[in-house]
Amino acid sequence: AQTVTQSQPEMSVQEAETVTLSCTYDTSESDYYLFWYKQPPSRQMILVIRQEAYKQQNATENRFSVNFQKAAKSFSLKISDSQLGDAAMYFCAHVESSSNTGKLIFGQGTTLQVKP
Amino acid sequence: DVKVTQSSRYLVKRTGEKVFLECVQDMDHENMFWYRQDPGLGLRLIYFSYDVKMKEKGDIPEGYSVSREKKERFSLILESASTNQTSMYLCASSLFAGQGRPEAFFGQGTRLTVV
Repeated sequence: AQTVTQSQPEMSVQEAETVTLSCTYDTSESDYYLFWYKQPPSRQMILVIRQEAYKQQNATENRFSVNFQKAAKSFSLKISDSQLGDAAMYFCAHVESSSNTGKLIFGQGTTLQVKP
Repeated sequence: DVKVTQSSRYLVKRTGEKVFLECVQDMDHENMFWYRQDPGLGLRLIYFSYDVKMKEKGDIPEGYSVSREKKERFSLILESASTNQTSMYLCASSLFAGQGRPEAFFGQGTRLTVV
């Protein structure tokens, strides 16, 4: 069964510093996608970054990058040069690409506080 | 611009009422989802639909049903609302994973309070 686990309910970081959010997942499939979503206080969920499991290269989007460890089933998000606008809840998510339906499963979320 | 629209941002209903939460997407996506978000529990999948009139139960379907009569619209139904269904409800849509871009797009959420 698909599961996604985020073990850090809350994290904090100083503005301009770097923070890493952790995520582990479980799947029996070899081909899948992983995502990080951001939910600011306005609660609109926004896609931050995605990773395709068959790609060994870690995805990067500006200040956001991932450390994808397929064997360990680990998918962490690194935020560099943290900004006040990065304060939000972050969710890790997984979908198996072999499935035609695309059932998307989320973790419990990590609340990130950015201190000025 | 892609859009998923939920019919209400805030809703207050009485125990025992039948409640309809509506969601519409304009991206011609095959998949549509209903999640429930509670503090400390993340997003839990209630139901999803991968085609018109097709649906699958998620992790917490009890007390809920869904309807998808048209591709763009996915409704969540609380047959007899109870106080433990007070929560934030999020609708999302996506392409099939096999189409290469399976990321979900979300509505703005509906905060439902059952009194």
